[in-house]
Amino acid sequence: GAVVSQHPSRVICKSGTSVKIECRSLDFQATTMFWYRQFPKQSLMLMATSNEGSKATYEQGVEKDKFLINHASLTLSTLTVTSAHPEDSSFYICSATQRKKGQQGTDTQYFGPGTRLTVL
Amino acid sequence: AQSVTQPDIHITVSEGASLELRCNYSYGATPYLFWYVQSPGQGLQLLLKYFSGDTLVQGIKGFEAEFKRSQSSFNLRKPSVHWSDAAEYFCAVGYQKVTFGTGTKLQVIP
Repeated sequence: GAVVSQHPSRVICKSGTSVKIECRSLDFQATTMFWYRQFPKQSLMLMATSNEGSKATYEQGVEKDKFLINHASLTLSTLTVTSAHPEDSSFYICSATQRKKGQQGTDTQYFGPGTRLTVL
Repeated sequence: AQSVTQPDIHITVSEGASLELRCNYSYGATPYLFWYVQSPGQGLQLLLKYFSGDTLVQGIKGFEAEFKRSQSSFNLRKPSVHWSDAAEYFCAVGYQKVTFGTGTKLQVIP
């Protein structure tokens, strides 16, 4: 259980185009989804947190208008990189948390397999 | 602010040898701690987590970690490493918003 998928796994696009990445929780309802960016040989950097039906909360330094996040349902969140440039090339990873009724403690994050974005 | 330090960027061990990956954290309250493993080009898989209770936590794939409050540490251990354990390991701390360490790359030699 607790499987998260991402699509596509790899995308190459031209500079100036927009790219949409999907994150789906396959067997549970994700109350919250997170989007991370990982540079080569570095750790994960949290970009934004999204809750179903509400606006995403972006981390400091992350451009809201460039990285559009939509969390339209409890199983799907999308990240759209608008007007992509070569510096946006990175590995983008989403995660989702599943909250069960009455659950105490933090919500464990289940990660997707990541999307490798290359902007030419 | 919460933070995680993984002092070892790269570790090499022989197959069958024991392993310990270090993790130190900074957190304002009782920490929620995690260890994740990432294979090349893949997402992260949760190995184990600590919320409260027994300070020795058992995880998947034969891994365990021990929470030591006095040392602000949450080191990951495995008694006998297999070649398939070669990967990058991330320690993380946080409640809802999780902060990751910079990772330790594990190389396993025959």
